[in-house]
Amino acid sequence: EAGVVQSPRYKIIEKKQPVAFWCNPISGHNTLYWYRQNLGQGPELLIRYENEEAVDDSQLPKDRFSAERLKGVDSTLKIQPAELGDSAVYLCASSSSEGANVLTFGAGSRLTVL
Amino acid sequence: KNEVEQSPQNLTAQEGEFITINCSYSVGISALHWLQQHPGGGIVSLFMLSSGKKKHGRLIATINIQEKHSSLHITASHPRDSAVYICAGIIDALQGGSEKLVFGKGMKLTVNP
Repeated sequence: EAGVVQSPRYKIIEKKQPVAFWCNPISGHNTLYWYRQNLGQGPELLIRYENEEAVDDSQLPKDRFSAERLKGVDSTLKIQPAELGDSAVYLCASSSSEGANVLTFGAGSRLTVL
Repeated sequence: KNEVEQSPQNLTAQEGEFITINCSYSVGISALHWLQQHPGGGIVSLFMLSSGKKKHGRLIATINIQEKHSSLHITASHPRDSAVYICAGIIDALQGGSEKLVFGKGMKLTVNP
């Protein structure tokens, strides 16, 4: 079975440009997370979905970040416009209906904003 | 102050050494993940434990919920163990909500041959 699939793996853009990341979670995993990880830091939650509902988006900078999880499966995370400080690895993770007990991360999407 | 603290932040060891990575937390958690992240790689869950001890190969994880402390031990360390090790606490869901993960900042381990 494929794990959590993310794309693109790497993205380099100039500031003020838009960027989008895609995540395909493990089949049957109701909960989907987007995290941002800066160099030398642990992941920081951006948004958590239960099926198609965003249940925790308190840490998402809503002026420039948006996310959606249509049909409760795949998810996209968008940044528009990107800023220099957005350079980071964007991680997607999914877990089973039992909560965070079975947790699988994707390989991440490394964003560099020039 | 971070809700989950890890120590040390960096550790360099020689191959074969016994290594201990510590994690303490200030919030009430029901369980804890130990995660491994190789340079440029994804995050892999090593253990999820809520009490006592778990062992997998050369890795041993222990947790004391009352003392709010967990440790990850690596026996007979090897250069391929070089990675960032992250602990993440599982905070129980509020009524109608879902569980939440709180991450430490990670500990970078380098094992030299």
